[in-house]
Amino acid sequence: DGGITQSPKYLFRKEGQNVTLSCEQNLNHDAMYWYRQDPGQGLRLIYYSQIVNDFQKGDIAEGYSVSREKKESFPLTVTSAQKNPTAFYLCATNPGQGRAGELFFGEGSRLTVL
Amino acid sequence: QQQVKQSPQSLIVQKGGISIINCAYENTAFDYFPWYQQFPGKGPALLIAIRPDVSEKKEGRFTISFNKSAKQFSLHIMDSQPGDSATYFCAARATGFQKLVFGTGTRLLVSP
Repeated sequence: DGGITQSPKYLFRKEGQNVTLSCEQNLNHDAMYWYRQDPGQGLRLIYYSQIVNDFQKGDIAEGYSVSREKKESFPLTVTSAQKNPTAFYLCATNPGQGRAGELFFGEGSRLTVL
Repeated sequence: QQQVKQSPQSLIVQKGGISIINCAYENTAFDYFPWYQQFPGKGPALLIAIRPDVSEKKEGRFTISFNKSAKQFSLHIMDSQPGDSATYFCAARATGFQKLVFGTGTRLLVSP
């Protein structure tokens, strides 16, 4: 089955801890994205990567870090520097090839800071 | 900052009615306008999209109306069904950019 797998689905973290959210895809898409979703604020772009070993900051990158060592994987680390990390995090991919506006999303990871 | 303004924030429609969600933008470099549908606890999924060279696109009960001069576009859901209850996001992409700008979302509830 082709798709995007995000894990864990739910995650609880104590203040001051770093956590890493996993995103794996087998769609063979080059571009991958991380969005943050908060009620009433839509989807805000954290980081994106168009190719292995390269990534760019989105609109709200502060307090987050990413890596793109493999085409299939784009993990997101929420660091202790992120002031308000409780949110729903969505990973997405894009097939390119003239379909730059079409995103395929995973099912999300809900992070709660205790 | 590039923005897409979406309204209303929430909407209740009776079964069989028409649901209408509106979006407005300012950046004239936007060249692709998709709508995404999201069910609770799931990721959004592409519903329908339009490019600015056409004024309307229809797919089944879903229609996008596009007004280039007013820089507005809207989603119409005809014969709304309870299964359409979800959050809808409009979005826009600027030419040459690999990222979308999303509206703030509209939570639609279709009452039986």
